[in-house]
Amino acid sequence: GAGVSQTPSNKVTEKGKYVELRCDPISGHTALYWYRQSLGQGPEFLIYFQGTGAADDSGLPNDRFFAVRPEGSVSTLKIQRTERGDSAVYLCASSWTGGNEQFFGPGTRLTVL
Amino acid sequence: KQEVTQIPAALSVPEGENLVLNCSFTDSAIYNLQWFRQDPGKGLTSLLLIQSSQREQTSGRLNASLDKSSGRSTLYIAASQPGDSATYLCAVANQAGTALIFGKGTTLSVSS
Repeated sequence: GAGVSQTPSNKVTEKGKYVELRCDPISGHTALYWYRQSLGQGPEFLIYFQGTGAADDSGLPNDRFFAVRPEGSVSTLKIQRTERGDSAVYLCASSWTGGNEQFFGPGTRLTVL
Repeated sequence: KQEVTQIPAALSVPEGENLVLNCSFTDSAIYNLQWFRQDPGKGLTSLLLIQSSQREQTSGRLNASLDKSSGRSTLYIAASQPGDSATYLCAVANQAGTALIFGKGTTLSVSS
């Protein structure tokens, strides 16, 4: 596609459930990033992939959060045992390589009840 | 730890006015700086990228400057239009270029 796409656009779940959020980067972009944005705040970095490997996961808040990018294209962010504090918009971005201009997707709004 | 501050938090101007949005950061060891626009309920649209070795970038009515030594960037918008109404976010890339650190944004409202 022409831009970064994310699915689903909205996800409502119950506390304690497991969720997966998907990101399709711009074709040919080797770098992929996940951020999350709470209301009234700027996005907060979670994890960066260069190709298939997580080159920087320093932003993941705890071990309930995990992300994969098995073939170096699509990435999935996985959240186990969701908590109400996980409610936010999860944004994905991609760039040609690390350090280049980042292009963002529309985000997935996660609501944990 | 890098911190990014944007001032003002909100700004209202009449159509046609030139305006400046400010961004400051605490650690000058950055890879680059990027300005974004975010419309309500939407993702981020990249406006300008300034590499750490550059002083400014221009795109249409937008001009962004970077003074790395003083930890400051400005986004200048000429002849503002109602369609410019949005939240503008400043982000600096860490020295490795692996992550963007964002400010909280400036919400701009341009009235016709």
